[in-house]
Amino acid sequence: DSGVTQTPKHLITATGQRVTLRCSPRSGDLSVYWYQQSLDQGLQFLIQYYNGEERAKGNILERFSAQQFPDLHSELNLSSLELGDSALYFCASTSVRGEAFFGQGTRLTVV
Amino acid sequence: EDQVTQSPEALRLQEGESSSLNCSYTVSGLRGLFWYRQDPGKGPEFLFTLYSAGEEKEKERLKATLTKKESFLHITAPKPEDSATYLCAVQALGNAGNMLTFGGGTRLMVKP
Repeated sequence: DSGVTQTPKHLITATGQRVTLRCSPRSGDLSVYWYQQSLDQGLQFLIQYYNGEERAKGNILERFSAQQFPDLHSELNLSSLELGDSALYFCASTSVRGEAFFGQGTRLTVV
Repeated sequence: EDQVTQSPEALRLQEGESSSLNCSYTVSGLRGLFWYRQDPGKGPEFLFTLYSAGEEKEKERLKATLTKKESFLHITAPKPEDSATYLCAVQALGNAGNMLTFGGGTRLMVKP
């Protein structure tokens, strides 16, 4: 158990819909990273928050957004969903040495 | 742009047959190189961090090594439970977010 909690584990939704994925980092970690893993793209960095503020952005679509709340949990919002958004979405938090610890992921299926 | 390439994409071994996985990287300045294990449908599990060329780390049947251009994950006398996808990732210096750039992974299958 990495200590990073993600919910829900599975999500099935229709094209055009909006979903919210939730992540709680390890106790004491201030950073939250979101990654997307699809079969053809591998693990891709989406966005990072540190203590409530956006720190870095990767290959995140404009239809996607995230935020980190005062209790340090984070939410990733995906809207106007397309079939190609079907993937595993992982959240990670990092130790002071920079080692990332990942949650078990949310499997999103868009039908 | 940081790049990580892993080879082979897939590797089949007999139980007890030692081998190595390769991770070649291009990064402006290396802050750290990370190895992860990932089981199907699960999150990556942290294995090792290497920070400088010449460094080695060991854990049970796994040993990771680092040069200026690549890293190797050596698997000694593997067992079926070592079957998984092994991911390599780099973290670049001067990278505000300390995010990881991953390779495509090596899928290891160990047959009894």
